[in-house]
Amino acid sequence: GQQVMQIPQYQHVQEGEDFTTYCNSSTTLSNIQWYKQRPGGHPVFLIQLVKSGEVKKQKRLTFQFGEAKKNSSLHITATQTTDVGTYFCSGPPNAGNMLTFGGGTRLMVKP
Amino acid sequence: ETGVTQTPRHLVMGMTNKKSLKCEQHLGHNAMYWYKQSAKKPLELMFVYSLEERVENNSVPSRFSPECPNSSHLFLHLHTLQPEDSALYLCASSRGGEGSSPLHFGNGTRLTVT
Repeated sequence: GQQVMQIPQYQHVQEGEDFTTYCNSSTTLSNIQWYKQRPGGHPVFLIQLVKSGEVKKQKRLTFQFGEAKKNSSLHITATQTTDVGTYFCSGPPNAGNMLTFGGGTRLMVKP
Repeated sequence: ETGVTQTPRHLVMGMTNKKSLKCEQHLGHNAMYWYKQSAKKPLELMFVYSLEERVENNSVPSRFSPECPNSSHLFLHLHTLQPEDSALYLCASSRGGEGSSPLHFGNGTRLTVT
């Protein structure tokens, strides 16, 4: 079945440093979605990418969908303590229809 | 605030108890989901209902029994659970059930099985 892997699992950064998490799928995805879960909270939808090579920005966050539609990345510029949480990618395979979530990357920011 | 409401927020139950988790969505969505989130595994999809019809059942043990009486309500009935079933149970909804619509999650029910 489809597998979605995220690296790294954990990342400690100093406030102000940049951060990137990578998402890789074993199958081609029809779209990729990113979610953020704060400690003690629930996953909250951030963004959806649909087109091959698509890049979208939300303030300090940059999301990219790979040309082959099998990988994606989330880059945060100049992290802040409010960025703390676990970032999940998810996507349905082209041949299927259910979202499979990656294991998530837990971001910790030192003030 | 989330448009998906889950109750209770916390639940402690013994292995012989029977309890139910409740989820209600106020977003007019057509699909509802149950996910299990534990420390050792990523978000695991348990059940999907689209237009009140179950479309996915990921080999979940029969001690978990879902019910979807209408497109706004979803239940998860629990009986004779095991300690390893302790986890955060998240309900979610989406406009469609085909994976292209973003999920809106509830706050979850933190379940502890003793």
